[in-house]
Amino acid sequence: EAAVTQSPRNKVAVTGGKVTLSCNQTNNHNNMYWYRQDTGHGLRLIHYSYGAGSTEKGDIPDGYKASRPSQENFSLILELATPSQTSVYFCASGDPRLGVQDTQYFGPGTRLLVL
Amino acid sequence: QEKVQQSPESLIVPEGAMSSLNCTFSNSASQSIWWYQQHPGKGPEALISIFSNGNKKEGRLTVYLNRASLHVSLHIRDSQPSDSAVYLCAVSLSSGSWQLIFGSGTQLTVMP
Repeated sequence: EAAVTQSPRNKVAVTGGKVTLSCNQTNNHNNMYWYRQDTGHGLRLIHYSYGAGSTEKGDIPDGYKASRPSQENFSLILELATPSQTSVYFCASGDPRLGVQDTQYFGPGTRLLVL
Repeated sequence: QEKVQQSPESLIVPEGAMSSLNCTFSNSASQSIWWYQQHPGKGPEALISIFSNGNKKEGRLTVYLNRASLHVSLHIRDSQPSDSAVYLCAVSLSSGSWQLIFGSGTQLTVMP
């Protein structure tokens, strides 16, 4: 069974502070993704990665950076957190070599509150 | 940009009934269409996907895809209270990232 873990599970941050969300996968998947989920918007892609050392912008990258130091780890960084970034953040991994059968496996989410 | 819309927003059915959820997408060249299930406080979990026109059945789940009308539906036979969750429709793009574009979900409640 695919395994994606996230830390922390809950985070309270202050406006202007730096926040780092971490994700680890043990599936040996090349692709990893960061989404945020807000009521009425579903899941929206922030950044993704094709493998160690690569990061790509998704649909809503403004205010976020990403880092993929290894196959297993993918971080999302908020350099200057704002209240509009209060949300639930999900990490996912997938194997694009499977083509149309590629399944994305999601972590349990991180609930972030920016005050 | 691909758009994915789901209906209804909320669905309440009695235990044992058929639950029917709908999804429309904007690009007929989209690759696979996925249905994910999300329980409160959990991450989405893939249920079933379909690529070709027609239907696909897995257990109590049946998915129908009509690319001409840009419509896909999910039907859950003999719905159980444990099926109560948010169901997300997602379309896989072929841009190389295999990015998923999600709809905003249908909240399914199965009453005992």
